Amino acid sequence: GAGVSQSPSNKVTEKGKDVELRCDPISGHTALYWYRQSLGQGLEFLIYFQGNSAPDKSGLPSDRFSAERTGGSVSTLTIQRTQQEDSAVYLCASSLAGQGAYEQYFGPGTRLTVT
Amino acid sequence: KNEVEQSPQNLTAQEGEFITINCSYSVGISALHWLQQHPGGGIVSLFMLSSGKKKHGRLIATINIQEKHSSLHITASHPRDSAVYICAVGASNYQLIWGAGTKLIIKP
Repeated sequence: GAGVSQSPSNKVTEKGKDVELRCDPISGHTALYWYRQSLGQGLEFLIYFQGNSAPDKSGLPSDRFSAERTGGSVSTLTIQRTQQEDSAVYLCASSLAGQGAYEQYFGPGTRLTVT
Repeated sequence: KNEVEQSPQNLTAQEGEFITINCSYSVGISALHWLQQHPGGGIVSLFMLSSGKKKHGRLIATINIQEKHSSLHITASHPRDSAVYICAVGASNYQLIWGAGTKLIIKP
């Protein structure tokens, strides 16, 4: 079956521009997570969705970052006025339910480069 | 002190060697996850376990709930096993608490 998909796979943008990253989770998965991974670093949690609501936005690094999820499915992560420190791989994962006892299935990631 | 500690941070071994990666945690968990990330690649879930032992091919994962410790073993290691192996624990809420990862290199 289809896994988690993300688009674009690569994005190069100029400092100060806005970018939008998309995640298409596995059908039927109610929980959706966004993570960020800087070069050579571990995963950094950004935001968690249960259905369409985001009970935990605590990981968003600044108010330039926002995310939404519509119809309990597709999610978009928006970064406004991008900065060079935003350069990273942005990973999306989904799971059947939002509890730690469920496997998270990861997308291939979007590599964002801010020049 | 991190809630999830992995050791070693880096491991280089020869093809065919038996590999052990360790994970210790300090919180109550619902499950422990082992994941694999190849260079430039995505993250794949290898195991999710809450007790005992699981085996998949040459990979074996064990967990000791009382000691709050898990190990990932690779038998007859191969260069294609070279990757970062990540331990994560499911705590009482929705989040996974992530270890820093173990970078494994298997030389031919």
